[in-house]
Amino acid sequence: SQTIHQWPATLVQPVGSPLSLECTVEGTSNPNLYWYRQAAGRGLQLLFYSIGIDQISSEVPQNLSASRPQDRQFILSSKKLLLSDSGFYLCAWSSLPPGSDTQYFGPGTRLTVL
Amino acid sequence: AQSVTQPDIHITVSEGASLELRCNYSYGATPYLFWYVQSPGQGLQLLLKYFSGDTLVQGIKGFEAEFKRSQSSFNLRKPSVHWSDAAEYFCAVAPNTGGFKTIFGAGTRLFVKA
Repeated sequence: SQTIHQWPATLVQPVGSPLSLECTVEGTSNPNLYWYRQAAGRGLQLLFYSIGIDQISSEVPQNLSASRPQDRQFILSSKKLLLSDSGFYLCAWSSLPPGSDTQYFGPGTRLTVL
Repeated sequence: AQSVTQPDIHITVSEGASLELRCNYSYGATPYLFWYVQSPGQGLQLLLKYFSGDTLVQGIKGFEAEFKRSQSSFNLRKPSVHWSDAAEYFCAVAPNTGGFKTIFGAGTRLFVKA
């Protein structure tokens, strides 16, 4: 069966520090991968999606970046965190065809920037 | 513009009572429709989805939803709520022509009182 992992589960970082959140998927090949951010009291905002290794699309301008060095690994990064980067970050995957398929979410990372 | 509206930020129901969570969407064509549930501090789990065919779809945990094209709605229902149903519920739409832009509503927080 397929599983999706995210770590760390929680993170407290000072403003201006770097960030690296990791997401890995097991039990499937060539998944579509997604990073979402969920701010308090708001819905999910799609940040990045990827259809393959080194194929990343950004949905919103921000100081975050994403990379996909391996088929089932998706990394969210920042060089300098802002207060506004605080939130709950969710990684998800889906199978082809894209858009029409269920997305399977990881447990999330709670990021607090102080 | 494409959008998903969940009019109720939060709803409180008594255990054993029936439940209906509202979802309205604005889309160019009939999209794929989803309901996800999120327990506190967790990722999202798919409850049910509508792609085509019968407009009343059954999901997990005793939930069902009805697609009404004329009202652009996809309301979630459950005949008898259990305390374990307390969570946040998200309605989502995705283009039925493919694509990655699943749009999520802002969510409805369900509280269940004994």
